[in-house]
Amino acid sequence: GAVVSQHPSWVICKSGTSVKIECRSLDFQATTMFWYRQFPKQSLMLMATSNEGSKATYEQGVEKDKFLINHASLTLSTLTVTSAHPEDSSFYICSAPGRGAPGTDTQYFGPGTRLTVL
Amino acid sequence: DAKTTQPTSMDCAEGRAANLPCNHSTISGNEYVYWYRQIHSQGPQYIIHGLKNNETNEMASLIITEDRKSSTLILPHATLRDTAVYYCIVTGGGNKLTFGTGTQLKVEL
Repeated sequence: GAVVSQHPSWVICKSGTSVKIECRSLDFQATTMFWYRQFPKQSLMLMATSNEGSKATYEQGVEKDKFLINHASLTLSTLTVTSAHPEDSSFYICSAPGRGAPGTDTQYFGPGTRLTVL
Repeated sequence: DAKTTQPTSMDCAEGRAANLPCNHSTISGNEYVYWYRQIHSQGPQYIIHGLKNNETNEMASLIITEDRKSSTLILPHATLRDTAVYYCIVTGGGNKLTFGTGTQLKVEL
């Protein structure tokens, strides 16, 4: 099956620094990838849609200048949390859609990245 | 995308079938029913999806009612490793998934 990886799996940083998280589709190409955030004991919240070769689309309430997304190739999307603060501490998860029938939405998720901002 | 309603939690004995219900009374004709699960501190995992026919794969079976307003995910022989949050999602395409609160399934000895 399709495999999506994320790096790093966890990161601890000081407040005010920037952190980059990578999402890779290992055995398939993805023109679109999705970034989610999950706070403890809560469900996944979609942050943005990453589009290869064009600007990302952000969900309402997500600051595009704070969460920079780059989708430079068909297998790699990056999320950079700029000037991170403790409230940005969360579990960040990416996904990429599989090649299903039209109208289907099978998504393959990465293992997630645990960000802790001190 | 149609909204779904799932029980907050369920318990199941190991080796028994786990039947997880989902209500999606506002589903429209072109929307699929998807099931994902999330084991603690991991990314979600795709389980199964269907449009109107019942579906079965190596992981589970999906039973969709004739009016498509509800469905049931069946894990035929639950194991401890099936303990997870199970999400029922209805979506008509576009790849964006909206996750609800899901059902926390606890499989016990």
